[in-house]
Amino acid sequence: DQQVKQNSPSLSVQEGRISILNCDYTNSMFDYFLWYKKYPAEGPTFLISISSIKDKNEDGRFTVFLNKSAKHLSLHIVPSQPGDSAVYFCAASAPRGNNDMRFGAGTRLTVKP
Amino acid sequence: DAEITQSPRHKITETGRQVTLACHQTWNHNNMFWYRQDLGHGLRLIHYSYGVQDTNKGEVSDGYSVSRSNTEDLPLTLESAASSQTSVYFCASSALLAGGGEQFFGPGTRLTVL
Repeated sequence: DQQVKQNSPSLSVQEGRISILNCDYTNSMFDYFLWYKKYPAEGPTFLISISSIKDKNEDGRFTVFLNKSAKHLSLHIVPSQPGDSAVYFCAASAPRGNNDMRFGAGTRLTVKP
Repeated sequence: DAEITQSPRHKITETGRQVTLACHQTWNHNNMFWYRQDLGHGLRLIHYSYGVQDTNKGEVSDGYSVSRSNTEDLPLTLESAASSQTSVYFCASSALLAGGGEQFFGPGTRLTVL
């Protein structure tokens, strides 16, 4: 069963506009959430994270929002840049540690100049 | 700079052959992981290790094994390769055990089983 779901396989936005990537989870034990970015032929790289005790975390152009009641998180990128074009994976982990980290299927973001 | 490397980057093998994928990290992390990435599934955990001589099964461990004889290396062995094991394999390491924490990923190995 997929405990972390990214229902949009792809997203296309114009440079300078906002990109919003969504992620839903089903396991209420998850308490730490991460976003990874992946370029072709490279491994995923960590982008931003959020603990379940918060509802927002911001790092430069990237902001992650967490809605625990809806079991939903989103990644906002403002303003979007062509270099942001990549596959974005949402991940969630439970208190027992990294072995319980589950990844979504990914969303391919394309930012058009 | 610390890094995590994987070899080979590409591998083609035949059904039934034993294959070993190497993973080496210089972060001095205790925790190491192997994932496979398949279209529509994201990254799925195969095996993981929390330290030397420690290995554990993940979500999709059937047909795979690992061994951890030192901190730096966690080789992944496919005992008898099957076409269903055609995938991209990622090794990762992390410092934190509990409460999440970012994992550092290698560049991946693309394995094709014919």
